[in-house]
Amino acid sequence: DIQMTQSPSTLSASVGDRVTITCRASQSINSWLAWYLQKPGQAPKLLIYSTSNLETGVPSRFSGSGSGTEFTLTISSLQPDDFGTYYCQYYNSYSVMFGQGTKVEIK
Amino acid sequence: EVQLVESGGGLVRPGGSLRISCAASAFTFSDYSMTWVRQAPGKGLEWVSSISSSSSYIYYGDSVKGRFTISRDNAKNSLDLQMNSLRAEDTAVYYCARARLGSYYMDVWGKGTTVTVSS
Repeated sequence: DIQMTQSPSTLSASVGDRVTITCRASQSINSWLAWYLQKPGQAPKLLIYSTSNLETGVPSRFSGSGSGTEFTLTISSLQPDDFGTYYCQYYNSYSVMFGQGTKVEIK
Repeated sequence: EVQLVESGGGLVRPGGSLRISCAASAFTFSDYSMTWVRQAPGKGLEWVSSISSSSSYIYYGDSVKGRFTISRDNAKNSLDLQMNSLRAEDTAVYYCARARLGSYYMDVWGKGTTVTVSS
């Protein structure tokens, strides 16, 4: 089974900072990667799909990149509303695997 | 507004059974694959099961295989998860989610229903 590993587990950053979260797959997953943001007490919200495609309505400060086994989510200028836990997700026709999450705190 | 509403969660004893449901509205339910994802208290997201639009393909995560059964009724726009032989580690919020048409990531999520397995 493919395993997904996110880093860091937690990060604290200031408003306006550039933030990068990394997701590594245990083997190549092509571009089948999505990113979600979950705020406390809420369901996850889709941000990015197919590695780099921005979901409709998601601010353009979010971007995704990568290929093969290493992927990144970048927030170009962190905003107060961006706090929460970010999850990467590998998906294919018969399986789904989430990373363990990266908790983003605003300094 | 596209919506998914889960129901049926509650407290159940270890070894017991529970059936949770998800009601879909404002989209053509029969066109979409659907998924259950759970989240144990203070933990991350865990995929539970997925079902294709016509129920032809069904998949389960290793931790629930043989104990849980996913099903759907396209005429009623509903998705179910029958959970048997429940264990304490099945305690979680269970989310119903829609897979984007033509793919397998989830673009619409319900608010979740809480299942607690405890004696």
